[in-house]
Amino acid sequence: NAGVMQNPRHLVRRRGQEARLRCSPMKGHSHVYWYRQLPEEGLKFMVYLQKENIIDESGMPKERFSAEFPKEGPSILRIQQVVRGDSAAYFCASSPTPEGELFFGEGSRLTVL
Amino acid sequence: EDKVVQSPLSLVVHEGDTVTLNCSYEVTNFRSLLWYKQEKKAPTFLFMLTSSGIEKKSGRLSSILDKKELFSILNITATQTGDSAVYLCVPSGTYKYIFGTGTRLKVLA
Repeated sequence: NAGVMQNPRHLVRRRGQEARLRCSPMKGHSHVYWYRQLPEEGLKFMVYLQKENIIDESGMPKERFSAEFPKEGPSILRIQQVVRGDSAAYFCASSPTPEGELFFGEGSRLTVL
Repeated sequence: EDKVVQSPLSLVVHEGDTVTLNCSYEVTNFRSLLWYKQEKKAPTFLFMLTSSGIEKKSGRLSSILDKKELFSILNITATQTGDSAVYLCVPSGTYKYIFGTGTRLKVLA
């Protein structure tokens, strides 16, 4: 059973470009969480999705950020018009139940030049 | 407001020492408490605790939850350099997990 798969592992973008981060949850998991982590800081919640539904996006900036988890395919975190402050590690986690154990992917490290 | 407080923030010990990491929390509609270990990559799961007073063990690690006092501890005995990491206490509520900054443990050879 493959773990949570995130890609790309590293992404470099120039200011103003778009970043798309993908997350394939573990097989059988329909609950996906996205977190952002800055260097030397803790994980900050961004968004919680179930298949085709955004359940809680209270941690996501109102502008430029969006997330989806379509019926088919991976969950995608999209950042439009990136700025240097978006540089961070973005972790995806999945769970088989809403409050079960979280399984983390290896993260996507975004660098904005 | 939901919160989690871990102590100490950081800890330096020598191999073979025993450490106790503390976690206090306040979470609306508490469901469970999870412990994770994070090195320079993704957090890895250690324990999930749902009931008070029942110790969970895995090798040299053990953990226990007190739902009345809203408290949990993680013990590591006979520490090794490979135990060096940030340890995260993560209480969960309805559809949410609360992450703090963790306890940074460094084990010296």
